[in-house]
Amino acid sequence: EAGVAQSPRYKIIEKRQSVAFWCNPISGHATLYWYQQILGQGPKLLIQFQNNGVVDDSQLPKDRFSAERLKGVDSTLKIQPAKLEDSAVYLCASSFLRGLGYTFGSGTRLTVV
Amino acid sequence: RKEVEQDPGPFNVPEGATVAFNCTYSNSASQSFFWYRQDCRKEPKLLMSVYSSGNEDGRFTAQLNRASQYISLLIRDSKLSDSATYLCVVNNFNKFYFGSGTKLNVKP
Repeated sequence: EAGVAQSPRYKIIEKRQSVAFWCNPISGHATLYWYQQILGQGPKLLIQFQNNGVVDDSQLPKDRFSAERLKGVDSTLKIQPAKLEDSAVYLCASSFLRGLGYTFGSGTRLTVV
Repeated sequence: RKEVEQDPGPFNVPEGATVAFNCTYSNSASQSFFWYRQDCRKEPKLLMSVYSSGNEDGRFTAQLNRASQYISLLIRDSKLSDSATYLCVVNNFNKFYFGSGTKLNVKP
């Protein structure tokens, strides 16, 4: 089966600019996650969707981060405006059912300068 | 207190060695547990789930100790290709918490 697709692979922006990341989960996977992984740390959950509804966004910095999954398939994550500390890899993952181990995409490496 | 804690390592071992990693978790109500492997500049990949009775997959053995709230991963007969960061993952009510990872370097 095709894996989780993410784009772009890399992005370099200046602070205060905006950026958006895209994710297409594995077909049929209802649950979609966005994680932030800062160098040397484990992934941290930003937001979790079940179909097109938000299940958990408690760790999403809502003043600058937003995410949507309008049709319950693809998802976008946006940062506006970006800060230097947002430099990280943004990983999308999906699973067939909540609570099962899930599959990650290859991530988007964001550098804010 | 962090949800999941791991020794960051690195663990430097020779080929053929046996190496073990531990991971502790803070929530005694955690429901399920996993080990993920992450290669440098790559995404994490599921290595194995961890079951209460312990489970084995080839050279890899995972154990869960609920009383002491830790899980372990044992790698026997280490290969060069086992060099990676191993992430401990704990599921609390469908929220997955990742440890910071333990780095393993297997040397020839």
